[in-house]
Amino acid sequence: EDQVTQSPEALRLQEGESSSLNCSYTVSGLRGLFWYRQDPGKGPEFLFTLYSAGEEKEKERLKATLTKKESFLHITAPKPEDSATYLCAVHTGANSKLTFGKGITLSVRP
Amino acid sequence: GAGVSQSPSNKVTEKGKDVELRCDPISGHTALYWYRQSLGQGLEFLIYFQGNSAPDKSGLPSDRFSAERTGGSVSTLTIQRTQQEDSAVYLCASSFDGTVNTEAFFGQGTRLTVV
Repeated sequence: EDQVTQSPEALRLQEGESSSLNCSYTVSGLRGLFWYRQDPGKGPEFLFTLYSAGEEKEKERLKATLTKKESFLHITAPKPEDSATYLCAVHTGANSKLTFGKGITLSVRP
Repeated sequence: GAGVSQSPSNKVTEKGKDVELRCDPISGHTALYWYRQSLGQGLEFLIYFQGNSAPDKSGLPSDRFSAERTGGSVSTLTIQRTQQEDSAVYLCASSFDGTVNTEAFFGQGTRLTVV
């Protein structure tokens, strides 16, 4: 059974304090790993898809990386508006569901 | 509309009653997913529709849960004889073709409270 584990569960940062969020996975045949951002009371919002080990993608202050066992979401010089829950999900199989981790709640203090 | 639309936004129902939750996917998207998000838990897969193929119902937690998708567009998730443990946010998502190359876009969810 596919498993996705995110850590830490919650992270509190000072504005400008860079850090990384971890997503480790155990799947049979990874086809893609997704990162989503979710704000309170809203649905998840797509950030990145990574397909193979060694791949990296960036968007503003966020950078996602992928190895054969885990993915990291690096946040550089975060701002309070980066506060949200960050979800990691894996896609396995040709056409199938996304399996999500429980998410990491990030709080950035001004 | 431009995004995935879900209704109602909030639903309070009495234990034992049936409820219907609606999802309008993005126009042209053939794949549609239902997920459930309980407090402190990750998104739990419920059911997946892809075009005219038989839906993947492997995530439905009991036979009280069912879903249909009419005309390849609008979907309805029905929960019969609701229980308190059914209280959660129910999220719908759609993607262009359900493959890994197309991201899923989520609606804002329906918050269901069973009292």
